[in-house]
Amino acid sequence: EAGVTQSPRYAVLQEGQAVSFWCDPISGHDTLYWYQQPRDQGPQLLVYFRDEAVIDNSQLPSDRFSAVRPKGTNSTLKIQSAKQGDTATYLCASRAGLGTSAETLYFGSGTRLTVL
Amino acid sequence: GDSVTQTEGLVTLTEGLPVMLNCTYQSTYSPFLFWYVQHLNEAPKLLLKSFTDNKRPEHQGFHATLHKSSSSFHLQKSSAQLSDSALYYCALTPNYGSSGNKLIFGIGTLLSVKP
Repeated sequence: EAGVTQSPRYAVLQEGQAVSFWCDPISGHDTLYWYQQPRDQGPQLLVYFRDEAVIDNSQLPSDRFSAVRPKGTNSTLKIQSAKQGDTATYLCASRAGLGTSAETLYFGSGTRLTVL
Repeated sequence: GDSVTQTEGLVTLTEGLPVMLNCTYQSTYSPFLFWYVQHLNEAPKLLLKSFTDNKRPEHQGFHATLHKSSSSFHLQKSSAQLSDSALYYCALTPNYGSSGNKLIFGIGTLLSVKP
């Protein structure tokens, strides 16, 4: 079974540039998460979806970040105008359903973003 | 709100010695607790998770016991191996409403096992 796939693996930008991250979750997983993991910190939830619907985006900096999952499968996270403080690894994760809080999240390898 | 506390940023051990990584939590309802492990340049992977009954989860020699009275879920192993060197995250999922689908992480503990 294929795992969670993310691309690109690395991105290096100047401040003010835009960047998009792409995620393909495990087939059949209807819940998808985007986490930001700054260096030397734990992953911090940005947004998560069930199918195509946003369930919680309260931690997403809405002025510059956006996330979509139009068909309830793949997802794109975009930063419109990157800042140095956005330097982090962006992790995508998926899980099967909302039935129980104990379901395991499966993570992709992440996109490591450096903003100069 | 819901939170996880890991007090040690770095734990350095000699191979063969016991491992104990601390984790305490705060949550309004009885949450599910998890330990994830992240090796260098890899994705976090589930190591073990708490059960709703009193069973003690175990995996790869690691175990953790959920103590609701002290809100703790410490990770233990009787004998550290060099391959155990990694980042260990304690995390919880609140057990209520739509929040029951968020995984909230601690800051992580880096375990370094030396020969």
